[in-house]
Amino acid sequence: DQQVKQNSPSLSVQEGRISILNCDYTNSMFDYFLWYKKYPAEGPTFLISISSIKDKNEDGRFTVFLNKSAKHLSLHIVPSQPGDSAVYFCAARRTGANNLFFGTGTRLTVIP
Amino acid sequence: KAGVTQTPRYLIKTRGQQVTLSCSPISGHRSVSWYQQTPGQGLQFLFEYFSETQRNKGNFPGRFSGRQFSNSRSEMNVSTLELGDSALYLCASSLRTGGTTGELFFGEGSRLTVL
Repeated sequence: DQQVKQNSPSLSVQEGRISILNCDYTNSMFDYFLWYKKYPAEGPTFLISISSIKDKNEDGRFTVFLNKSAKHLSLHIVPSQPGDSAVYFCAARRTGANNLFFGTGTRLTVIP
Repeated sequence: KAGVTQTPRYLIKTRGQQVTLSCSPISGHRSVSWYQQTPGQGLQFLFEYFSETQRNKGNFPGRFSGRQFSNSRSEMNVSTLELGDSALYLCASSLRTGGTTGELFFGEGSRLTVL
């Protein structure tokens, strides 16, 4: 039972344009959401997060939007750079728990 | 500050064997979690240890077990290996305080191939 879903396995974007990665979840008990980035042969690295009490969080070129009513979040990367090419995982955490539920990932390719 | 260290990085086993993977968390981190990554399933939570106690467990059979030592280092064991156990096993550490952001710091993983 996949509680966090990333329905797009891959995305290609031109350098300098916006990348939008989407994520849906089913569990209304999730109160914290995170995005991780993973390069081949490396472990995932934390990118940005958002609490369920907010609808937007921004960090440099990265912005995460949360729509609780739709149980949907998205990661915007502006402008996209070739070094952003990686697999991006959306993750969610329930109140009081420390384990994360991950999506299956979206492979982003930024074309120079 | 040293990151999360996992050993071995790569290993090959045959069906029916057992395997032990090791994880050293970031200094000062007392929580260690294990995840299994497979191509079709993404990252699946195995279990979490904090202060040598298993605090949470994912939906995996009893063949998967783990433990944590007093220095916060952790090991996971998989017994009676099956072909489907071939995966990247990731260890993550965190501070796990009341105000935690939920951020996990991952190691590079141990890639297990079962033949």
